[in-house]
Amino acid sequence: AQSVAQPEDQVNVAEGNPLTVKCTYSVSGNPYLFWYVQYPNRGLQFLLKYITGDNLVKGSYGFEAEFNKSQTSFHLKKPSALVSDSALYFCAVRDGRGDNFNKFYFGSGTKLNVKP
Amino acid sequence: DGGITQSPKYLFRKEGQNVTLSCEQNLNHDAMYWYRQDPGQGLRLIYYSQIVNDFQKGDIAEGYSVSREKKESFPLTVTSAQKNPTAFYLCATRDRAGQPQHFGDGTRLSIL
Repeated sequence: AQSVAQPEDQVNVAEGNPLTVKCTYSVSGNPYLFWYVQYPNRGLQFLLKYITGDNLVKGSYGFEAEFNKSQTSFHLKKPSALVSDSALYFCAVRDGRGDNFNKFYFGSGTKLNVKP
Repeated sequence: DGGITQSPKYLFRKEGQNVTLSCEQNLNHDAMYWYRQDPGQGLRLIYYSQIVNDFQKGDIAEGYSVSREKKESFPLTVTSAQKNPTAFYLCATRDRAGQPQHFGDGTRLSIL
């Protein structure tokens, strides 16, 4: 079964420190992986994706993610956190099989709190 | 997302009532999706459509119905059969395979 796990409900970090938001996945075939951010009462905004190629993917607002096939992980990172990064972050994987070709599976979300 | 309009932003449903949530897009994307978001549960897929006049059930389709008569529009009806409709509903679109989804700003549905 296709699934995404975000093991931390909440991550707290001080402004200026590096941040990591964890994601592991289970998917048949090659994974298409995505990170999104959500601010209160808004829709999700796309940050970055991995389809193929370099394992380190760079995205919007200084975020990057590292794809690790052996650990089936796709952790989101940023070298220096900003208070404005405080939001809810979702990891997602696209199902590449047959009739489910266009289905996406989302993790439960991780709330990032960046303290001044 | 400026290209996807969900309305209304807030909606209240009375007992036994059907309500319809609107999703309109001007991105010319083929695929459209409806998700339900509950606190701590992430997004769960209700229905999706890859082309006009075709749609598939997602993981939690019971109590919901959709139509896709136009490429730009994918309305969701929450029927009286959905006993726990209180949630944040998100509409999304996608262009080509491998591309990310684009999301509207959601409709928050509550019970009166």
